[in-house]
Amino acid sequence: SQTIHQWPATLVQPVGSPLSLECTVEGTSNPNLYWYRQAAGRGLQLLFYSVGIGQISSEVPQNLSASRPQDRQFILSSKKLLLSDSGFYLCAWSVRTSGRAWQYFGPGTRLTVT
Amino acid sequence: AQSVTQPDIHITVSEGASLELRCNYSYGATPYLFWYVQSPGQGLQLLLKYFSGDTLVQGIKGFEAEFKRSQSSFNLRKPSVHWSDAAEYFCAVGEFTGGGNKLTFGTGTQLKVEL
Repeated sequence: SQTIHQWPATLVQPVGSPLSLECTVEGTSNPNLYWYRQAAGRGLQLLFYSVGIGQISSEVPQNLSASRPQDRQFILSSKKLLLSDSGFYLCAWSVRTSGRAWQYFGPGTRLTVT
Repeated sequence: AQSVTQPDIHITVSEGASLELRCNYSYGATPYLFWYVQSPGQGLQLLLKYFSGDTLVQGIKGFEAEFKRSQSSFNLRKPSVHWSDAAEYFCAVGEFTGGGNKLTFGTGTQLKVEL
């Protein structure tokens, strides 16, 4: 069966520090991968998605970037964190197909920028 | 652009009572619709999905949802709520674009169950 991992589970970082969050998927090949951010009372906002190695689409201009160095690895990064980057970050994957697919979510990373 | 509205931020029901969570969407074509549930501090779990066909879809944990095109709605229902159903519920509409399936989520409905 497929599983999705995220780490770390929680992170407290000072403003201006770098960030690296990692997401890996097991049990599937060639998945589509997604990064979401969830802020209190605002639902989930899609940040990035990837349909293959090195292929990243950004949904919202911001202080973050994403990379996909391997087929089942998705990394969210920042060079200098802002207070507004605090939130709950969720990684998700879906099968690569022409439309009818749903997303499976990881357990999330709680980021607090102080 | 597609959008999803969940008009109820909080809902409280008694255990054993029926439940209906509202969801309205805006999308130009036939929508792909989803309901997810999130327990505190956890990721999201898929409850059910609609792509086409029968407008009444069954999901896990005894949930069902009905797609009504004329009302642009996809409301979630459960005939008898259990205390373990307390969680946050998200409705989402999916769009297939550029090889990726992108989901647009509503802001969620927080469900509290009174014993």
